[in-house]
Amino acid sequence: KNQVEQSPQSLIILEGKNCTLQCNYTVSPFSNLRWYKQDTGRGPVSLTIMTFSENTKSNGRYTATLDADTKQSSLHITASQLSDSASYICVVSGSTNAGKSTFGDGTTLTVKP
Amino acid sequence: SAVISQKPSRDICQRGTSLTIQCQVDSQVTMMFWYRQQPGQSLTLIATANQGSEATYESGFVIDKFPISRPNLTFSTLTVSNMSPEDSSIYLCSVDGFRRADTQYFGPGTRLTVL
Repeated sequence: KNQVEQSPQSLIILEGKNCTLQCNYTVSPFSNLRWYKQDTGRGPVSLTIMTFSENTKSNGRYTATLDADTKQSSLHITASQLSDSASYICVVSGSTNAGKSTFGDGTTLTVKP
Repeated sequence: SAVISQKPSRDICQRGTSLTIQCQVDSQVTMMFWYRQQPGQSLTLIATANQGSEATYESGFVIDKFPISRPNLTFSTLTVSNMSPEDSSIYLCSVDGFRRADTQYFGPGTRLTVL
């Protein structure tokens, strides 16, 4: 069964600090891995998308890494801001049909002043 | 990217009634997806809706409970029928990417509470 596991489930950090979120998956075959940010009461917004050949992708203060051999990904947030408080969801797709994806349960990040 | 709107943004409904959620996209898209996000959980795909054909439902979801319409390439509706408190969730519409078919864009969601 295809699975995506994220850790930690929740995280509290102080404003300005860095943090790293983890995503392990068993989806096979593998097409792409996406990280989304979901603010409370809003739909998910794409942060990064990586295919098999990409091992790092940055989007501002967000940097995602992918190790396709070990089936692991991480999302690193640099110099956190209060607005980074949200749920971060790892999504893995086994095909080019984006809708046929496996969603992780997300990591809830709280950034405190 | 696509701009996706949903109506209503939230609703409180009585048990046994039905609610139709609308999803409008600002560009023509081939595939539209409907998801459910129960409290504290991640997204679960309900069905895929292609224009001109019947929606394809995932395991655990049936057309009688979640009828879907897709009258054109920019619009879809999802109806939650004969609601019970277990249907209380956020319902999200999604479309695949334009330049990249392997990504997705999501609507803001409809927060449904069933009493």
